Amino acid sequence: NAGVTQTPKFRILKIGQSMTLQCTQDMNHNYMYWYRQDPGMGLKLIYYSVGAGITDKGEVPNGYNVSRSTTEDFPLRLELAAPSQTSVYFCASRNTGQGVTGELFFGEGSRLTVL
Amino acid sequence: TQLLEQSPQFLSIQEGENLTVYCNSSSVFSSLQWYRQEPGEGPVLLVTVVTGGEVKKLKRLTFQFGDARKDSSLHITAAQTGDTGLYLCAGRAAGNTGKLIFGQGTTLQVKP
Repeated sequence: NAGVTQTPKFRILKIGQSMTLQCTQDMNHNYMYWYRQDPGMGLKLIYYSVGAGITDKGEVPNGYNVSRSTTEDFPLRLELAAPSQTSVYFCASRNTGQGVTGELFFGEGSRLTVL
Repeated sequence: TQLLEQSPQFLSIQEGENLTVYCNSSSVFSSLQWYRQEPGEGPVLLVTVVTGGEVKKLKRLTFQFGDARKDSSLHITAAQTGDTGLYLCAGRAAGNTGKLIFGQGTTLQVKP
């Protein structure tokens, strides 16, 4: 299994440009998450989804949008990129139900720089 | 707004020393997890605690969930250089099984 796959791994954007970070998982997990991580810091929740067609805001949703049309995919859209969005972005998924630990499985991260 | 405060934010110790990292909140969590992250990689789960007062051990690491389920601690005995990394606590809100928030992390450096 590939687990959680994020693309691209690296990207440089100019201020005002838009882009989509792709995330797909092949574990049939219902819950998916987008976090951002600034240097030496913890993860801030941007958006999350508890299933296809359902999304909700996290701690820092401004400047981002998400959609969840399928169980597998959870893309993150940046409109009008700003320098404050320079960060490493992590997508994660987890299983639910009895007997599961609720472990988050993370992608390798996408490093975004906005100049 | 739920917040998870980790302390200390940075810790530099010699190999063989003991240390404790704290994760505190004013909110109640249905469960709390500890992750470890190495540079350039995503976090990896160490443990999940669910019951107030619960203690779990993972080799030289001991995790405790507070009685009121608002705080947790991670204690490392006889630290090794391989323990170096970023330690993150993450809490799942009571009543909202979807939302999982992280503390700001504790960077641990173990020197030989």
